This record gives sequence, structure tokens and C-alpha cells, in this order.
Amino acid sequence: EVQLVESGGGLVKPGGSLRLSCAASGFSFSDYTLNWVRQAPGKGLEWVSSITSSSGYIYYTDSVKGRFTISRDNAKNSLYLQMNSLRAEDTAVYYCARVKAILAPVGAFDIWGQGTMVTVSS
Amino acid sequence: EVVLTQSPGTLSLSPGEGATLSCRASQSVSSTYLAWYQQKPGQAPRLLIYGASSRATGIPDRFSGSGSGTDFTLTISRLEPEDFAVYYCQQYGTSPKTFGQGTKVEIK
Repeated sequence: EVQLVESGGGLVKPGGSLRLSCAASGFSFSDYTLNWVRQAPGKGLEWVSSITSSSGYIYYTDSVKGRFTISRDNAKNSLYLQMNSLRAEDTAVYYCARVKAILAPVGAFDIWGQGTMVTVSS
Repeated sequence: EVVLTQSPGTLSLSPGEGATLSCRASQSVSSTYLAWYQQKPGQAPRLLIYGASSRATGIPDRFSGSGSGTDFTLTISRLEPEDFAVYYCQQYGTSPKTFGQGTKVEIK
């Protein structure tokens, strides 16, 4: 079964750090671009970051540039999001999502994890 | 940044009725890079339509997408009970890969 499973969420104080992980199974992980998408409580979807299959191209939304770092370990079939200098407005469910087309730098997001909740509060 | 504006915000309909959801972009979007997602409470989004009009794997043919340039539409021909949910459009051709704010389809 093709699957993405996020972990690492939790409660953190403003200014703190957290590292999210996304474990993939059931497909050739190293062939796909991956993304992080977040959803604040009761709000819509917001794309956060993307990384191509060989980590050659990395993109971030403006609000997280300089604070968040996306990375991947193709040998471990894992995607990561290092989040530093966290703010209250970063509170959200964080999803990892796969781009549909193999070896494509962009594409629709066809496989999503179940999400992990990050709460930034003192 | 491409801003996507969805309308209406909420659609109140009965099972069996048709639904038409709109997504308008602040600048032209290649139809190759326009998707629609469905999200139910407590669940991750599910891909319905990609490339503006291609149905994703396993999506029933009552869902269809159309449009080009700045105006795109998701049509649900006859609403089934499981179709009541929130729907988002997304452009993924340029970064940031923006989503619309969503349209909620609720039972009337």
C-alpha cells in the first residue's frame, strides 16, 4: 500500500524548534518530489515547502523562509521538516504530500499523510 | 504569487442535485497545473482532478473539471451523501503553490 506517515508534532513554546518526519512506503520514494502542506485549525490549506527527488530544487513559502528547512533521506525513505523560531501562527496540522508524476519537479499532490499537529503556545 | 479565489464560500444543496464550484486566479494559470481536492472533517485532502480536467485514480465520473486561463470549474453532476465536504482548488505550476480558500458543500 502506498503510504505516507508523519510524526514529530507536539506542543512547543514560541521561539522553540521541532523536527517533523514523514515515512514513506509502497512506492519508489527516491523518484518523487515531496511537499509539506499545513492547515491551521478551522482554516484552509497552505503549501509550505517542496523538495525534488534528488534534493536539487527546494522551495519555501515566504512566511517560513529562513526558519524552516526541508530535507530528505532517500536511503531511509524519509522526508523531514526542521522548524526553528516557531511562532503562534505556525500552529497547524502538517501534512506531507507526494507529487503525482514520477521524476516530475511539479505536479498535483496525489498521496497525503494523515497529518501531525504542531501547537506553538506558551 | 497567484491568488485563487473560490466561490461560493458555502453551497447548500440536497443529495441528487448538481453542484458547480468556481475557482478564479489572479493571473493566468496553465490548465496543466490546476487541481481540485476534497477534504472531509478530520481527514487529509484527496486529489480529485489534476490538469484542470483529468480525474485522479478511483474518482467517480460524476466529478468533472473544466476551464482555462483564470477561470476554472469543478462540477459534481449528482451529489451523493459522501460528497458533502470542503473542496479546494490549487495551482502547482509556480511557487508558492497556492490553494483557494475552499468551498463547503453542505446538506440543505
